[in-house]
Amino acid sequence: GAVVSQHPSRVICKSGTSVKIECRSLDFQATTMFWYRQFPKQSLMLMATSNEGSKATYEQGVEKDKFLINHASLTLSTLTVTSAHPEDSSFYICSAPRAYNEQFFGPGTRLTVL
Amino acid sequence: GIQVEQSPPDLILQEGANSTLRCNFSDSVNNLQWFHQNPWGQLINLFYIPSGTKQNGRLSATTVATERYSLLYISSSQTTDSGVYFCAGGTSYGKLTFGQGTILTVHP
Repeated sequence: GAVVSQHPSRVICKSGTSVKIECRSLDFQATTMFWYRQFPKQSLMLMATSNEGSKATYEQGVEKDKFLINHASLTLSTLTVTSAHPEDSSFYICSAPRAYNEQFFGPGTRLTVL
Repeated sequence: GIQVEQSPPDLILQEGANSTLRCNFSDSVNNLQWFHQNPWGQLINLFYIPSGTKQNGRLSATTVATERYSLLYISSSQTTDSGVYFCAGGTSYGKLTFGQGTILTVHP
């Protein structure tokens, strides 16, 4: 069964609003989680590393003030897309390592900004 | 950073055929995974294989770490095997760089 969940699975919002996406590890604790973004017909690109108890680290070119990450507990990381615009429309996917380095991915959140 | 090159980008097969997907890495990696992305976007873990050979049913994978490549074998392909296959690897804990994917289409 699923080991990482995401909520919501799909969201449609108006330009300028903020959207929060939750990522949960279901039967294990994860001090580190990862957020990826996938545009249509493209590969996944790592956006940031979410660290429990400390600040997230962002990949080059990803605006930290635009994509707020909070790792509130050992099983929950949230990604908030602030003041979303149409170019932020994408498929957002989180991952967490359950054992060693093997990553397990959530089902993803499809964001559409009108 | 690490560059990941996947081939072929597209693959069309008849049901029952065998296939090999390849992943080349620009540098050594200490974690390497193969995934199948289903039509709803979910990434399904196929193999965690930083080195060696593993088999799971009709699928198997081999990683030659010293030569920085990995292979995914699909035998007796079925229409349900259709989808996008990704390899991904990295050196830092948990961080993965993905290849561009192979779009596999299996016709009945």
